[in-house]
Amino acid sequence: RKEVEQDPGPFNVPEGATVAFNCTYSNSASQSFFWYRQDCRKEPKLLMSVYSSGNEDGRFTAQLNRASQYISLLIRDSKLSDSATYLCVVNMGVGSGTYKYIFGTGTRLKVLA
Amino acid sequence: DGGITQSPKYLFRKEGQNVTLSCEQNLNHDAMYWYRQDPGQGLRLIYYSQIVNDFQKGDIAEGYSVSREKKESFPLTVTSAQKNPTAFYLCASSISRTSGYNEQFFGPGTRLTVL
Repeated sequence: RKEVEQDPGPFNVPEGATVAFNCTYSNSASQSFFWYRQDCRKEPKLLMSVYSSGNEDGRFTAQLNRASQYISLLIRDSKLSDSATYLCVVNMGVGSGTYKYIFGTGTRLKVLA
Repeated sequence: DGGITQSPKYLFRKEGQNVTLSCEQNLNHDAMYWYRQDPGQGLRLIYYSQIVNDFQKGDIAEGYSVSREKKESFPLTVTSAQKNPTAFYLCASSISRTSGYNEQFFGPGTRLTVL
C-alpha cells in the first residue's frame, strides 16, 4: 500500500460546482498535512496547511480525519482558474527527531465553462 | 522578495555528461531538498540537507551528488551514472527538518532532457 494515495482523476466539473478530493495516508504517526496546487509544468504551490481537524481559506476547506487516516479538500464555487493538479503531502516522523514529506501523485481537476 | 530560485529553467545534456543544477534560497531556511518528478508519479526525494556542510541521501540518490557549502545554496549534480535523468527537478526548502509542522516551499524547477 502506498504511504499517501490520491485518486488521479481527472475530475471534470462545471463552473460554480462544489468538488471534493480525498487523500488517504498509511502512517498513523503522521504529524501534519498539506495541500499543494500544481499547474502544468510548474512547481507546486502551497494551498493549505492542516495541523488539527481542519482549515478554511475562502472557497477552500481542508478536513482531517485521523481516525480514518484521510484528509479532504473541498472547493466551492469552482472557477476556471482552479483547473490544476492538487497534491496531498504528509509530514511524518522518521526517527531521531526528523521528519519526512511524503507526496501523493496528485488529483487532476478540470473546471469546464 | 524572498524565495527560491533555480537555474537553468531548461537544460539539455548529452549522454555521458555531468550537469549541475543550481538552487538558491533567501528565506533563511535551514533545510533544503531536491526532488525529481516524472509524469504520473509523485515527487521523489533525491537528497536533503538539514544544515550547512551536511546532507543525506533520499530515496533515489544513485547517480546524483550535492553539496551544501552555504546556507543559501544547494546545487545538484546529475552524473553520467544516472540511467534515466530526463525529468523535472524541483528544489525546496523549509525552516527545518526537525519539526513536523513546517511547510515546504518550491523553486520553479529545472526541466532536464538527455539527448
